[in-house]
Amino acid sequence: GDSVTQTEGQVALSEEDFLTIHCNYSASGYPTLFWYVQYPGEGPQLLFRASRDKEKGSSRGFEATYDKGTTSFHLRKASVQESDSAVYYCALSDWTNTGKLTFGDGTVLTVKP
Amino acid sequence: AQTIHQWPVAEIKAVGSPLSLGCTIKGKSSPNLYWYWQATGGTLQQLFYSITVGQVESVVQLNLSASRPKDDQFILSTEKLLLSHSGFYLCAWSPGTGVGTLYFGAGTRLSVL
Repeated sequence: GDSVTQTEGQVALSEEDFLTIHCNYSASGYPTLFWYVQYPGEGPQLLFRASRDKEKGSSRGFEATYDKGTTSFHLRKASVQESDSAVYYCALSDWTNTGKLTFGDGTVLTVKP
Repeated sequence: AQTIHQWPVAEIKAVGSPLSLGCTIKGKSSPNLYWYWQATGGTLQQLFYSITVGQVESVVQLNLSASRPKDDQFILSTEKLLLSHSGFYLCAWSPGTGVGTLYFGAGTRLSVL
């Protein structure tokens, strides 16, 4: 079945540091890939999505590029802020319109001022 | 604009007692609706999805059931709670066609004692 692997379970950075969260996926066909962010006590919010090879998604300074060759969708931000502290989930959606998102285990980002 | 409302915000229930959680979507006709579950500190797992009124598909068996009595309403319930039912329950919707982004509600925190 489909799966998503996020390498980092926790990331601790200082403000203005560079962020990378690695996401690799395994799926048949051509999945749509997502990054979601979840703040404490809230539901996940979409950061952005990408549907085609080499497509770049971006929002709020975060970006990721769909790479079918390496089956990856790594999240990056050049300069993090304390307000970016949250849990980040990589996810994929299959093509069958069941709306089933397969989520990674999540990465807890803590940014110190 | 579409809004999604979940109720209650939090519940503390005894093992063996019944449960009913609700979700209402306004501003979108015929959405796809979903229930997700998140263990404390864990990832998100899809429980049910519904493409139309009266039809609900189960994704995992957790001694829970779901119903869609109206186009804009999704209900999650059980007659007997287990300790393992504790966690964060999220309702979500997506547009009715294609591979759509999921939009999550604020969630219900359930503690089973």
